[in-house]
Amino acid sequence: DQQVKQNSPSLSVQEGRISILNCDYTNSMFDYFLWYKKYPAEGPTFLISISSIKDKNEDGRFTVFLNKSAKHLSLHIVPSQPGDSAVYFCAASPGTGANNLFFGTGTRLTVIP
Amino acid sequence: SAVISQKPSRDICQRGTSLTIQCQVDSQVTMMFWYRQQPGQSLTLIATANQGSEATYESGFVIDKFPISRPNLTFSTLTVSNMSPEDSSIYLCSVTGGGSQETQYFGPGTRLLVL
Repeated sequence: DQQVKQNSPSLSVQEGRISILNCDYTNSMFDYFLWYKKYPAEGPTFLISISSIKDKNEDGRFTVFLNKSAKHLSLHIVPSQPGDSAVYFCAASPGTGANNLFFGTGTRLTVIP
Repeated sequence: SAVISQKPSRDICQRGTSLTIQCQVDSQVTMMFWYRQQPGQSLTLIATANQGSEATYESGFVIDKFPISRPNLTFSTLTVSNMSPEDSSIYLCSVTGGGSQETQYFGPGTRLLVL
């Protein structure tokens, strides 16, 4: 049973435009959410996180939005750059820390120069 | 942040054999995690390894198939035993850290192909 879902396996965006990656979850006990980026032959690298007490967290070009009532979060990348091309994973934790993470299946983002 | 290395980076193995994957962290950490990522799938937690105690396995994973060692606070190994083609995956180790924005830091992964 997949508790964290990323329904779009791929996304293509023009350089300079906004990339929006979506993630849905089913477990109302999830309190902490993270986004990771993964390049081929590398492990996932942490991008940004948000706790359930917030609805938005911003770090440079990356913003994560959380809609708890809809059990939905999204990652916005503005402006998108070719170096952002990677697989993006959404993850959720039932606690306030990152010791117990449930991952989505990933979305492959391609930023077209 | 933590810097994590894994050995080997990739391997091709025959069915019925075993492979031991090493994970080395550049700092002392309490908890280390082992994940599997099968082709086209999400990362699935195999087990949590604490130094000085038995590893805690997730549902669907057993110690006989995936024995884990954690001899100290910077090192762990995962063995994939009696391999079959279904074990072909990327195996990743990770540790937690990051202070206020706590996260897991991942190693580069070990890509395993079982023939």
